[in-house]
Amino acid sequence: EPEVTQTPSHQVTQMGQEVILRCVPISNHLYFYWYRQILGQKVEFLVSFYNNEISEKSEIFDDQFSVERPDGSNFTLKIRSTKLEDSAMYFCASSDRRSTEAFFGQGTRLTVV
Amino acid sequence: QKEVEQNSGPLSVPEGAIASLNCTYSDRGSQSFFWYRQYSGKSPELIMFIYSNGDKEDGRFTAQLNKASQYVSLLIRVSQPSDSATYLCAARDRGGSEKLVFGKGTKLTVNP
Repeated sequence: EPEVTQTPSHQVTQMGQEVILRCVPISNHLYFYWYRQILGQKVEFLVSFYNNEISEKSEIFDDQFSVERPDGSNFTLKIRSTKLEDSAMYFCASSDRRSTEAFFGQGTRLTVV
Repeated sequence: QKEVEQNSGPLSVPEGAIASLNCTYSDRGSQSFFWYRQYSGKSPELIMFIYSNGDKEDGRFTAQLNKASQYVSLLIRVSQPSDSATYLCAARDRGGSEKLVFGKGTKLTVNP
């Protein structure tokens, strides 16, 4: 069964460092998303991406964040200068059409120390 | 601020019983609704979605939507211990937005 895959599963980084989280969406999907979940809290939308550009972003997705689809398969989330409060589980998701169900990857646990 | 509210639980049911999970949403513009299951430390796993008022059944799961009351529910029949998880309700806006707004989830425990 096709699935969204994310790497790494766990990343520990020092405050102020840059991190890149990687995702391989389901192959025929066209819409890609990043969500995050701080421990014990709700899953929160960060950004959606379609046709090589951001289609929507939340207020969380400030200038420290960026997304990219560097090739035909990977979808990345970059955090330029990590803060302690960026520690969370980051989920990539994809869907085949706009406004249909999104399938989530297994997540990357980011710990900023 | 668009909100999706769920009773955080925990909700405990005996094995074989029906588990009923509820969700309300604040934005009347919300068009479609999704139920995800999340095991501890894992990612959300889609169970089912519903767009139209009424009931939608898929195996042991039934989703119910009442747009007038801004209420969504999920029934799990013949509950099994493997159904023990946190169930997340999510809403998507009608206005072309692609983002899902999640509730905090209801923790369900099915006791053998």
